[in-house]
Amino acid sequence: QKEVEQDPGPLSVPEGAIVSLNCTYSNSAFQYFMWYRQYSRKGPELLMYTYSSGNKEDGRFTAQVDKSSKYISLFIRDSQPSDSATYLCAMKPPSGGGADGLTFGKGTHLIIQP
Amino acid sequence: DAGITQSPRHKVTETGTPVTLRCHQTENHRYMYWYRQDPGHGLRLIHYSYGVKDTDKGEVSDGYSVSRSKTEDFLLTLESATSSQTSVYFCATSSAGKDQPQHFGDGTRLSIL
Repeated sequence: QKEVEQDPGPLSVPEGAIVSLNCTYSNSAFQYFMWYRQYSRKGPELLMYTYSSGNKEDGRFTAQVDKSSKYISLFIRDSQPSDSATYLCAMKPPSGGGADGLTFGKGTHLIIQP
Repeated sequence: DAGITQSPRHKVTETGTPVTLRCHQTENHRYMYWYRQDPGHGLRLIHYSYGVKDTDKGEVSDGYSVSRSKTEDFLLTLESATSSQTSVYFCATSSAGKDQPQHFGDGTRLSIL
């Protein structure tokens, strides 16, 4: 079993819909959770960065973490064609005092239909 | 973003040749990372640096070496490239302090024939 599972999609929804993207993980040491957006032939762009359980909102984006279920979600409200991209979840345990690599899901390809 | 420039952006080379990829950052971030991205695997950590001349191995470090002689530059070297190292390589940086987020460059697309 991979440490982080993410449905690769593609997920296709009409413009204006609410999008739900999800990841599950197996390592209970993970405490920091991130969502990145990646457009074709570009690098991952940080969207949301959360610590432990709960919700965090930023504009049309809401990140949700449920540590008891080892499940994280990203919700996109009022989706736009410009939201079409691959969304990567990433996570890590608390830092040991220095650099830490991230563990990524494989990414979900999202298509917003105009 | 975090002012990360990767060079070259694209490279095609032959098996057995040495290849060096460069990551340059203008944010004075302490930590730097190299990842590779492959279909079906997602992003995987190759090597990372926690300061000038301080580096360590990541998950998939075999066949790769790194060097960091200045804060702003982090080099990834394939001593003798193999076809299995065909991939897209991303550099990331994060600032000093615990648990700071990582920011990524736009990648180098490397093909080894």
